[in-house]
Amino acid sequence: DGGITQSPKYLFRKEGQNVTLSCEQNLNHDAMYWYRQDPGQGLRLIYYSQIVNDFQKGDIAEGYSVSREKKESFPLTVTSAQKNPTAFYLCASSIRISSGNTIYFGEGSWLTVV
Amino acid sequence: GDSVTQMEGPVTLSEEAFLTINCTYTATGYPSLFWYVQYPGEGLQLLLKATKADDKGSNKGFEATYRKETTSFHLEKGSVQVSDSAVYFCALTTVTGGGNKLTFGTGTQLKVEL
Repeated sequence: DGGITQSPKYLFRKEGQNVTLSCEQNLNHDAMYWYRQDPGQGLRLIYYSQIVNDFQKGDIAEGYSVSREKKESFPLTVTSAQKNPTAFYLCASSIRISSGNTIYFGEGSWLTVV
Repeated sequence: GDSVTQMEGPVTLSEEAFLTINCTYTATGYPSLFWYVQYPGEGLQLLLKATKADDKGSNKGFEATYRKETTSFHLEKGSVQVSDSAVYFCALTTVTGGGNKLTFGTGTQLKVEL
């Protein structure tokens, strides 16, 4: 079945460590996104990518980095510079960048700093 | 900038009651409007969408009409079930500066009781 796969589902990070969240899609979508969700808040955009080898900062990019070396993959690295990384992270994709196109989401990854 | 405002929750209803979750928006240009649903511990699933004024999105008994004159996209269902208990997010997309930005409301938790 086509879809978006995020891994790991749960991840624990020690202070000062970088961690990478995986996102793979087999929908042949050009555009991919990373969102962060905190309790009681809506989703906030971290980074997005319209095409391979291109990505743009979203609203809260500080302390995060991404790469887009392959169309189907868009990993997110949470660096030690991110002051409050504990959150639920959602990867998403859409056919292309267009207002009417639906954005589809993965199942999410829980990151906890211990 | 673009924004979405939803009614605060939680909303608690008895099974078979009528549901309305209010959503209003502010956006430049001509946004597309979406309702997403999130079940506990999961990612977001698209519930319905509307891409132009007066369009009605519908799915699984839920409906919402794109009202440009009142900048609203209220979610309704005639008879809710316990299985509808979830968090509902209103969202819009606009294409600005080459990026497709999905802006979310803060979510409304719905609890349906027997």
